[in-house]
Amino acid sequence: TQLLEQSPQFLSIQEGENLTVYCNSSSVFSSLQWYRQEPGEGPVLLVTVVTGGEVKKLKRLTFQFGDARKDSSLHITAAQPGDTGLYLCAGLGWGSNSGYALNFGKGTSLLVTP
Amino acid sequence: DSGVTQTPKHLITATGQRVTLRCSPRSGDLSVYWYQQSLDQGLQFLIQYYNGEERAKGNILERFSAQQFPDLHSELNLSSLELGDSALYFCASSVEGQGEQFFGPGTRLTVL
Repeated sequence: TQLLEQSPQFLSIQEGENLTVYCNSSSVFSSLQWYRQEPGEGPVLLVTVVTGGEVKKLKRLTFQFGDARKDSSLHITAAQPGDTGLYLCAGLGWGSNSGYALNFGKGTSLLVTP
Repeated sequence: DSGVTQTPKHLITATGQRVTLRCSPRSGDLSVYWYQQSLDQGLQFLIQYYNGEERAKGNILERFSAQQFPDLHSELNLSSLELGDSALYFCASSVEGQGEQFFGPGTRLTVL
Protein backbone atom coordinates (compact mmCIF):
# COMPACT_ATOMS: atom_id res chain seq x y z
CA THR A 1 0.00 0.00 0.00
CA GLN A 2 1.39 3.35 -1.07
CA LEU A 3 0.92 5.86 1.74
CA LEU A 4 1.71 8.81 -0.49
CA GLU A 5 0.10 9.34 -3.88
CA GLN A 6 1.81 11.69 -6.30
CA SER A 7 0.25 13.28 -9.34
CA PRO A 8 0.71 13.58 -12.16
CA GLN A 9 2.89 10.54 -12.74
CA PHE A 10 4.46 12.05 -15.85
CA LEU A 11 4.68 15.64 -17.01
CA SER A 12 6.22 16.96 -20.21
CA ILE A 13 6.32 20.72 -20.67
CA GLN A 14 8.22 23.36 -22.57
CA GLU A 15 10.80 25.68 -21.11
CA GLY A 16 9.24 28.71 -19.47
CA GLU A 17 5.98 27.04 -18.45
CA ASN A 18 4.77 26.77 -14.87
CA LEU A 19 3.76 23.51 -13.24
CA THR A 20 2.48 22.06 -10.00
CA VAL A 21 2.88 18.52 -8.72
CA TYR A 22 0.92 17.09 -5.84
CA CYS A 23 1.55 14.70 -3.01
CA ASN A 24 -1.48 13.38 -1.11
CA SER A 25 -2.01 10.98 1.75
CA SER A 26 -4.67 9.86 4.19
CA SER A 27 -1.99 9.73 6.88
CA VAL A 28 -0.63 12.57 8.96
CA PHE A 29 3.11 13.07 8.90
CA SER A 30 5.42 14.82 11.34
CA SER A 31 7.19 16.35 8.37
CA LEU A 32 7.33 15.99 4.63
CA GLN A 33 10.32 16.15 2.34
CA TRP A 34 10.74 16.70 -1.38
CA TYR A 35 13.57 15.07 -3.28
CA ARG A 36 14.79 15.29 -6.85
CA GLN A 37 16.39 12.27 -8.48
CA GLU A 38 18.29 12.19 -11.75
CA PRO A 39 18.86 9.00 -13.75
CA GLY A 40 21.59 6.83 -12.26
CA GLU A 41 21.81 8.82 -9.06
CA GLY A 42 20.31 8.81 -5.61
CA PRO A 43 17.60 11.23 -4.51
CA VAL A 44 18.77 14.65 -3.34
CA LEU A 45 16.83 16.52 -0.68
CA LEU A 46 15.27 19.80 -1.83
CA VAL A 47 13.28 20.87 1.20
CA THR A 48 11.67 19.73 4.45
CA VAL A 49 8.34 21.18 5.57
CA VAL A 50 7.29 20.71 9.15
CA THR A 51 4.44 23.03 10.09
CA GLY A 52 0.91 22.67 8.71
CA GLY A 53 0.29 25.47 6.19
CA GLU A 54 4.01 26.13 5.80
CA VAL A 55 5.25 27.58 2.53
CA LYS A 56 8.90 27.45 1.56
CA LYS A 57 10.52 28.98 -1.49
CA LEU A 58 13.71 27.81 -3.10
CA LYS A 59 14.45 30.10 -6.06
CA ARG A 60 11.78 29.15 -8.65
CA LEU A 61 10.42 26.29 -6.53
CA THR A 62 7.61 26.82 -4.02
CA PHE A 63 6.68 24.07 -1.58
CA GLN A 64 3.54 23.99 0.52
CA PHE A 65 2.52 21.68 3.37
CA GLY A 66 -1.20 21.22 3.84
CA ASP A 67 -2.87 22.53 6.98
CA ALA A 68 -3.72 18.98 8.07
CA ARG A 69 -0.16 17.77 7.36
CA LYS A 70 -1.45 15.13 4.95
CA ASP A 71 -0.59 16.68 1.62
CA SER A 72 1.90 18.89 -0.11
CA SER A 73 2.52 20.58 -3.41
CA LEU A 74 5.53 21.69 -5.40
CA HIS A 75 5.16 24.57 -7.83
CA ILE A 76 7.88 25.40 -10.35
CA THR A 77 7.83 28.76 -12.07
CA ALA A 78 9.36 29.23 -15.52
CA ALA A 79 10.65 25.68 -15.77
CA GLN A 80 14.05 25.08 -17.30
CA PRO A 81 15.56 21.96 -18.90
CA GLY A 82 17.75 21.61 -15.82
CA ASP A 83 14.60 20.97 -13.78
CA THR A 84 14.12 17.65 -15.58
CA GLY A 85 14.08 14.73 -13.19
CA LEU A 86 12.01 12.57 -10.87
CA TYR A 87 10.42 14.52 -8.03
CA LEU A 88 9.69 12.45 -4.95
CA CYS A 89 7.79 13.38 -1.84
CA ALA A 90 8.47 11.50 1.38
CA GLY A 91 6.66 11.59 4.69
CA LEU A 92 8.36 11.01 7.99
CA GLY A 93 6.47 8.84 10.46
CA TRP A 94 5.83 9.55 14.10
CA GLY A 95 6.29 6.57 16.31
CA SER A 96 8.83 3.93 17.10
CA ASN A 97 7.06 1.35 14.91
CA SER A 98 8.27 3.12 11.83
CA GLY A 99 11.38 4.55 13.38
CA TYR A 100 12.41 7.46 11.27
CA ALA A 101 11.85 5.76 7.97
CA LEU A 102 10.76 7.84 5.05
CA ASN A 103 7.60 6.77 3.22
CA PHE A 104 8.06 7.74 -0.40
CA GLY A 105 5.54 8.39 -3.12
CA LYS A 106 6.22 6.88 -6.56
CA GLY A 107 7.26 10.25 -7.91
CA THR A 108 6.45 12.63 -10.73
CA SER A 109 8.73 12.33 -13.73
CA LEU A 110 9.22 15.80 -15.22
CA LEU A 111 10.65 16.51 -18.66
CA VAL A 112 11.32 20.11 -19.65
CA THR A 113 12.17 20.60 -23.31
CA PRO A 114 13.89 23.71 -24.73
CA ASP B 1 28.50 13.92 -4.27
CA SER B 2 26.58 13.12 -1.09
CA GLY B 3 29.55 11.52 0.67
CA VAL B 4 27.77 8.16 0.84
CA THR B 5 29.48 5.43 -1.17
CA GLN B 6 27.99 2.19 -2.40
CA THR B 7 29.61 -0.78 -4.07
CA PRO B 8 29.25 -2.34 -6.50
CA LYS B 9 27.51 0.05 -8.87
CA HIS B 10 26.13 -2.77 -10.98
CA LEU B 11 25.56 -6.41 -10.15
CA ILE B 12 24.26 -9.12 -12.47
CA THR B 13 23.54 -12.53 -11.04
CA ALA B 14 21.28 -15.54 -11.46
CA THR B 15 18.19 -16.68 -9.62
CA GLY B 16 18.90 -18.57 -6.44
CA GLN B 17 22.19 -16.81 -5.82
CA ARG B 18 23.26 -14.64 -2.88
CA VAL B 19 24.82 -11.19 -3.10
CA THR B 20 26.15 -8.58 -0.68
CA LEU B 21 25.80 -4.86 -1.20
CA ARG B 22 28.06 -2.52 0.70
CA CYS B 23 27.53 1.02 1.96
CA SER B 24 29.85 3.51 3.63
CA PRO B 25 28.00 6.40 5.28
CA ARG B 26 29.14 10.01 5.32
CA SER B 27 31.89 10.70 7.80
CA GLY B 28 30.31 11.25 11.21
CA ASP B 29 26.90 9.80 10.34
CA LEU B 30 25.75 7.11 12.75
CA SER B 31 22.59 5.95 11.01
CA VAL B 32 22.29 3.95 7.81
CA TYR B 33 19.11 3.23 5.87
CA TRP B 34 18.51 0.80 3.01
CA TYR B 35 15.88 1.37 0.32
CA GLN B 36 14.77 -0.61 -2.73
CA GLN B 37 13.57 1.22 -5.82
CA SER B 38 11.65 -0.57 -8.56
CA LEU B 39 9.50 0.78 -11.37
CA ASP B 40 6.24 -0.60 -10.01
CA GLN B 41 6.77 -0.04 -6.27
CA GLY B 42 8.81 3.11 -6.19
CA LEU B 43 11.27 3.72 -3.36
CA GLN B 44 10.57 1.38 -0.45
CA PHE B 45 12.22 1.52 2.96
CA LEU B 46 13.85 -1.75 3.97
CA ILE B 47 15.73 -1.28 7.23
CA GLN B 48 17.56 1.25 9.41
CA TYR B 49 20.59 0.84 11.64
CA TYR B 50 21.85 3.30 14.20
CA ASN B 51 25.34 2.91 15.65
CA GLY B 52 25.35 -0.81 14.99
CA GLU B 53 21.86 -1.57 16.24
CA GLU B 54 18.74 -2.21 14.19
CA ARG B 55 16.43 0.80 14.66
CA ALA B 56 13.50 0.30 12.29
CA LYS B 57 12.27 -2.31 9.86
CA GLY B 58 10.19 -1.78 6.77
CA ASN B 59 9.18 -4.03 3.91
CA ILE B 60 12.24 -6.24 4.09
CA LEU B 61 11.87 -9.85 2.99
CA GLU B 62 13.09 -12.66 5.22
CA ARG B 63 15.55 -13.60 2.47
CA PHE B 64 17.21 -10.23 3.01
CA SER B 65 19.33 -9.24 5.98
CA ALA B 66 21.57 -6.37 6.91
CA GLN B 67 24.09 -5.35 9.50
CA GLN B 68 26.11 -2.32 10.51
CA PHE B 69 29.70 -2.87 11.56
CA PRO B 70 31.74 -1.09 14.27
CA ASP B 71 33.28 1.18 11.65
CA LEU B 72 29.66 2.11 10.72
CA HIS B 73 29.69 0.72 7.21
CA SER B 74 26.74 -1.47 6.39
CA GLU B 75 26.04 -4.49 4.25
CA LEU B 76 22.77 -5.69 2.78
CA ASN B 77 22.67 -9.42 2.07
CA LEU B 78 20.17 -10.73 -0.45
CA SER B 79 19.78 -14.50 -0.75
CA SER B 80 17.77 -16.98 -2.82
CA LEU B 81 17.43 -14.24 -5.39
CA GLU B 82 14.33 -14.06 -7.57
CA LEU B 83 13.70 -12.19 -10.80
CA GLY B 84 11.53 -9.75 -8.88
CA ASP B 85 14.47 -8.69 -6.72
CA SER B 86 15.94 -6.83 -9.68
CA ALA B 87 15.95 -3.20 -8.63
CA LEU B 88 18.05 -0.26 -7.54
CA TYR B 89 19.18 -0.52 -3.94
CA PHE B 90 20.02 2.72 -2.19
CA CYS B 91 21.78 3.37 1.04
CA ALA B 92 21.30 6.63 2.91
CA SER B 93 22.88 7.99 6.05
CA SER B 94 22.07 10.62 8.63
CA VAL B 95 23.92 12.10 11.57
CA GLU B 96 21.56 10.69 14.15
CA GLY B 97 18.56 8.35 14.09
CA GLN B 98 16.49 11.02 12.41
CA GLY B 99 16.94 14.09 10.31
CA GLU B 100 18.10 14.70 6.78
CA GLN B 101 19.13 11.58 4.93
CA PHE B 102 21.87 11.66 2.31
CA PHE B 103 21.59 9.05 -0.40
CA GLY B 104 24.34 7.11 -2.11
CA PRO B 105 24.44 6.53 -5.88
CA GLY B 106 22.82 3.12 -5.57
CA THR B 107 23.56 -0.43 -6.69
CA ARG B 108 21.65 -1.71 -9.70
CA LEU B 109 20.92 -5.40 -9.21
CA THR B 110 19.84 -7.50 -12.16
CA VAL B 111 18.72 -11.06 -11.51
CA LEU B 112 18.60 -13.22 -14.64
